[in-house]
Amino acid sequence: SYDLTQPPSVSVSPGQTASITCSGDNLGHKYVCWYQQRPGQSPLLVIYQDNKRPSGIPERFSGSNSGNTASLTISGTQALDEADYYCQAWDSDTVVFGPGTKVTVL
Amino acid sequence: EVQLVESGGDLVQPGASLRLSCAATGFTFSSYAMSWVRQAPGKGLEWVSTISDRGGTTFFADSVKGRFTIARDNSKSTLYLQVSSLRAEDTAVFFCARTDLWFGENHYFHMDVWGKGTTVTVSS
Repeated sequence: SYDLTQPPSVSVSPGQTASITCSGDNLGHKYVCWYQQRPGQSPLLVIYQDNKRPSGIPERFSGSNSGNTASLTISGTQALDEADYYCQAWDSDTVVFGPGTKVTVL
Repeated sequence: EVQLVESGGDLVQPGASLRLSCAATGFTFSSYAMSWVRQAPGKGLEWVSTISDRGGTTFFADSVKGRFTIARDNSKSTLYLQVSSLRAEDTAVFFCARTDLWFGENHYFHMDVWGKGTTVTVSS
């Protein structure tokens, strides 16, 4: 089975840049998307097809994917960005989620 | 407004069955694939199943294959998940999600609208 790896946690100061990585074998050959999940809420798609933002998602969210690593970057992080973030890819007729990264805004 | 509303979750004993439903409004349901994703208490997201827009193609996670069935009624804009032979480890919030997918050369898969979820608890 295909596995995705994410750091368990990332801490960032308000206004600074948070970067979350997602690693998998030849991940750069797959499209990756990212979901934000605030406590007690449903997941929200924030990046799809590596680097596209859905309507309504702030420009401070950006994505990239190359080699074995995809990244989600939050520029000018705000307190409301504190949440769990999951990467996701499709492999061999299966949807694969990363384990999630908890972003804490200190 | 685009909306998905799940229902059917319950507290059941091991071995029981349930049918979960997801009512869609605000978009052309028959034009989209749909998926179920679950989240056990305090855990991450786990994909469960996906069905194509017309219902002719389905996919399942290995953990539920043979026990869960996905179906849709486009005339009612409703998605279903029949869950059987339930185990304690199936305890989770089950979300339905509108799915955008393409299985061509540059295949992609993402879920752009999510419901609030329905809770399934399996316990004796």
